[in-house]
Amino acid sequence: DQQVKQNSPSLSVQEGRISILNCDYTNSMFDYFLWYKKYPAEGPTFLISISSIKDKNEDGRFTVFLNKSAKHLSLHIVPSQPGDSAVYFCAASAQGSARQLTFGSGTQLTVLP
Amino acid sequence: DSGVTQTPKHLITATGQRVTLRCSPRSGDLSVYWYQQSLDQGLQFLIQYYNGEERAKGNILERFSAQQFPDLHSELNLSSLELGDSALYFCASSPQRGATPSGYTFGSGTRLTVV
Repeated sequence: DQQVKQNSPSLSVQEGRISILNCDYTNSMFDYFLWYKKYPAEGPTFLISISSIKDKNEDGRFTVFLNKSAKHLSLHIVPSQPGDSAVYFCAASAQGSARQLTFGSGTQLTVLP
Repeated sequence: DSGVTQTPKHLITATGQRVTLRCSPRSGDLSVYWYQQSLDQGLQFLIQYYNGEERAKGNILERFSAQQFPDLHSELNLSSLELGDSALYFCASSPQRGATPSGYTFGSGTRLTVV
């Protein structure tokens, strides 16, 4: 049972354009959402997060949008740069004693020069 | 360098064997998490330890076990290895029982290849 889904395994975007990565979730108890970026031969690194009490969080070129009614979040990267080429994982957590992160399967973003 | 150290980086072993993966959490972090990433799969949660005690279990096979030692480093033991156990194994740490607002800090992983 995949509680966090990233339905696009890959995405290619031209440098300077917008990259939009999508993520859907099924667990209504999730109240915190994160995006991680992963380069080859490295571990995932935290990129940006959003609490369920917000619908938007922005950090420089990165913006995360949350649509709770649709159980959908997206990561926008504007403008996209070749260095943004990586695998992006969406993750979610629910309030509770463990507060584990549940990850999606990832989207490989390729930014073409 | 994230501060989370995983050794070894690469491991090649035969089916039926047993291996131990090691993780040293970031200084000051009390929780250690183990994740498995198989080909084209997301990060699957295996197990969490907090200050030496098992805190949560995910999709961890009975052939796999883990522990966290008094110095807070953790070991993941994989036994009776099968070809399907070939994967990247990540360790992550956090300072508290669960994820912080920035989640966990991950190590660079151990790539296990079972032949």
